Amino acid sequence: LAKTTQPISMDSYEGQEVNITCSHNNIATNDYITWYQQFPSQGPRFIIQGYKTKVTNEVASLFIPADRKSSTLSLPRVSLSDTAVYYCLVGETNYGQNFVFGPGTRLSVLP
Amino acid sequence: ETGVTQTPRHLVMGMTNKKSLKCEQHLGHNAMYWYKQSAKKPLELMFVYSLEERVENNSVPSRFSPECPNSSHLFLHLHTLQPEDSALYLCASSQDQTNEQFFGPGTRLTVL
Repeated sequence: LAKTTQPISMDSYEGQEVNITCSHNNIATNDYITWYQQFPSQGPRFIIQGYKTKVTNEVASLFIPADRKSSTLSLPRVSLSDTAVYYCLVGETNYGQNFVFGPGTRLSVLP
Repeated sequence: ETGVTQTPRHLVMGMTNKKSLKCEQHLGHNAMYWYKQSAKKPLELMFVYSLEERVENNSVPSRFSPECPNSSHLFLHLHTLQPEDSALYLCASSQDQTNEQFFGPGTRLTVL
């Protein structure tokens, strides 16, 4: 089970690009990298998932280097509503048995 | 609105009470999950159901009893809980072997 390490907290200002990096040195061949967002008193929300290189959707981009030992979630032009906790998870796609949520990164977007 | 609903949203119960949490998903998914999130702690996976069969039980005390009568409904039966069981209980669902889970809003449980 790959362990992930990410910063506990980050601050940013509205309109800036935010990059949150996650380390997963023991990632296995079959593991995918998944990011979730959670607002206070709500359930987490899936943001993006990738295996290698770069993945982009309407919300974020995910950059994964060739060795896959880390990944970076990039949020373009953040707003106050992006203030939340962001979780990086690593595991196989097998009904989530290996899904272990760490403490996540608490992003605070300031005006 | 994620397509996963949970009731009740808030619950206060004594240690000798018996109560149930309900989760319903309207997404046609075939896997459902219960998570526990205590204050200032990460989410903990409690139970996983796939095609109505339990596939994971992460050493959860027997005072928590899950039930999955069909692929759309999931229950968590609670009895003789402890104050340390107070937490946000989250239900999620997914389709097949995917890490994209859809979470409900949670039930905020307080055990007195």
